[in-house]
Amino acid sequence: QKEVEQNSGPLSVPEGAIASLNCTYSDRGSQSFFWYRQYSGKSPELIMFIYSNGDKEDGRFTAQLNKASQYVSLLIRDSQPSDSATYLCAVPHSGYSTLTFGKGTMLLVSP
Amino acid sequence: DAGVIQSPRHEVTEMGQEVTLRCKPISGHNSLFWYRQTMMRGLELLIYFNNNVPIDDSGMPEDRFSAKMPNASFSTLKIQPSEPRDSAVYFCASNLQGLHTDTQYFGPGTRLTVL
Repeated sequence: QKEVEQNSGPLSVPEGAIASLNCTYSDRGSQSFFWYRQYSGKSPELIMFIYSNGDKEDGRFTAQLNKASQYVSLLIRDSQPSDSATYLCAVPHSGYSTLTFGKGTMLLVSP
Repeated sequence: DAGVIQSPRHEVTEMGQEVTLRCKPISGHNSLFWYRQTMMRGLELLIYFNNNVPIDDSGMPEDRFSAKMPNASFSTLKIQPSEPRDSAVYFCASNLQGLHTDTQYFGPGTRLTVL
């Protein structure tokens, strides 16, 4: 059973700061990683995925993967109050289309 | 394009009653997932269908839960009899089958309260 661990938070940052969200996983064979965002009372939506070691940037979002240390991070630059949400890390089951989700980290960005 | 459609959006029922949740996946998607989300356990996969066939139902908590997908555009999740511990938000998601990299698109969810 793959395990995905996240700090539940809340992580509080001021507007304009960099928010850093972390996720650790137990299966060394995991090859790809997903970050979903979930606003309160809404459904999860994919914001980024990453396969290879290193960084992947998409606008204000950067995903960082370190397979040796088995963690993946999501950095949000120039945080905005609209980024306030719960961020879920997910790892796929090998050979399937299913995902195992972490419990998520709540991010609060204050104006 | 319409997204994943779920009904009802809210359901309040009494313990022991039967509950049926419904889902219409995005047209053209042939994989469908049912999830349950609670504060304690997070987002858990209950069952996964591919081409209308259940592939992985290891997450179904017990025999009180059952799911069907009679065709590519409709799926149900049934709980009978319901218990207070079944109270949660139930999400349906769909994607294009094949790569595990396929984005899963979630419906708005059904908030179930069992009294």
